[in-house]
Amino acid sequence: QKEVEQNSGPLSVPEGAIASLNCTYSDRGSQSFFWYRQYSGKSPELIMFIYSNGDKEDGRFTAQLNKASQYVSLLIRDSQPSDSATYLCAVPTYSGAGSYQLTFGKGTKLSVIP
Amino acid sequence: SAVISQKPSRDICQRGTSLTIQCQVDSQVTMMFWYRQQPGQSLTLIATANQGSEATYESGFVIDKFPISRPNLTFSTLTVSNMSPEDSSIYLCSVGPKGQGPDEQFFGPGTRLTVL
Repeated sequence: QKEVEQNSGPLSVPEGAIASLNCTYSDRGSQSFFWYRQYSGKSPELIMFIYSNGDKEDGRFTAQLNKASQYVSLLIRDSQPSDSATYLCAVPTYSGAGSYQLTFGKGTKLSVIP
Repeated sequence: SAVISQKPSRDICQRGTSLTIQCQVDSQVTMMFWYRQQPGQSLTLIATANQGSEATYESGFVIDKFPISRPNLTFSTLTVSNMSPEDSSIYLCSVGPKGQGPDEQFFGPGTRLTVL
């Protein structure tokens, strides 16, 4: 059973601070890692993906991957109230012939306090 | 990414009835998936919709309860059969890959179902 673990939160940070969201996964063979943002009442939106060890930056978002520790994180710099949402970590598993599915963590609810 | 639409966006249904949810993508995709998200919970995969063959269901989900069709590479339906209040949930379709990577997924807007 593939597992993806996240702290459920809620995580509260003041506006302008760095929000740090963490995710661990059980499958050492995982190659790709995704972060989705889900606003209340909306569907998940893909905001970051990372395939290689190290950091990947996109605007205020940085994804960090450490495959040896089976750990992936998402940093949000200069947090804004509009970043308040639930953040879902997802890891794919493969079943052959190009078929795959995503296993999602339970999500971390982030609140950015003005 | 892809433009994905779902119909209906929401519905209120009576116990024992069935509802069919449609998912339409603006371009051909290899993979289509159906998820359920119960209130305050994360996403649970119901099944992978396979074009031209039977869907692949996850543990705990069966074809009689959740029949799925996928007649082509841009369209799929999920039916929730013989509904009970426990089926009240958001149902989401997703598609992929459709971008830079081989295995990402993009989600439709969801169908909010309430069963009375």
